[in-house]
Amino acid sequence: KNEVEQSPQNLTAQEGEFITINCSYSVGISALHWLQQHPGGGIVSLFMLSSGKKKHGRLIATINIQEKHSSLHITASHPRDSAVYICAVTAAYSGGGADGLTFGKGTHLIIQP
Amino acid sequence: NAGVTQTPKFRVLKTGQSMTLLCAQDMNHEYMYWYRQDPGMGLRLIHYSVGEGTTAKGEVPDGYNVSRLKKQNFLLGLESAAPSQTSVYFCASSYSDPTSGLKEAGELFFGEGSRLTVL
Repeated sequence: KNEVEQSPQNLTAQEGEFITINCSYSVGISALHWLQQHPGGGIVSLFMLSSGKKKHGRLIATINIQEKHSSLHITASHPRDSAVYICAVTAAYSGGGADGLTFGKGTHLIIQP
Repeated sequence: NAGVTQTPKFRVLKTGQSMTLLCAQDMNHEYMYWYRQDPGMGLRLIHYSVGEGTTAKGEVPDGYNVSRLKKQNFLLGLESAAPSQTSVYFCASSYSDPTSGLKEAGELFFGEGSRLTVL
């Protein structure tokens, strides 16, 4: 079973700071998801990537397949970015299948005004 | 376009009672999932379905049953609730296999969550 570790577990920063959240996994993967869970509880998909880098607004996700590591960056952070950010991966050898996702425990981010 | 809708959003049960959580999606997705989220743990898969009329066990299926009689609905049942089933339950769906690496196929869409307390 793939192990997914996120760091830091908790992060408090000031508005405007550049934020980095890390995700490391133990085996080769076919896909990696970054999810955002709002304080009210709802979860939305931010990125799905298998290589390289993706950007959406102030959010940037990168992945290094060789190092088994992904990062989520937030530029010009804002209090509305306060949320739990969750990394999820699928092992490349799993053969696919809906039961192949392994989730990290999440990073709790607070952006103070 | 409602996306994924879960009902009810909150429920308190006594040990031994039964209940059903309903998940409905209007995106014509084939894959649907039920997860539970507990403090200090990642989302864990309870059951999933890869199409109408199909269901399969996930990581933590004991004490739960599911049905997918219609493509748009995925029901999660607790026949005899236990305090260990106190959790937040999330339904999710995707057009196809989320492990394929293809965003169009595998992007996950989640419901708002259902908070269940078993006394």
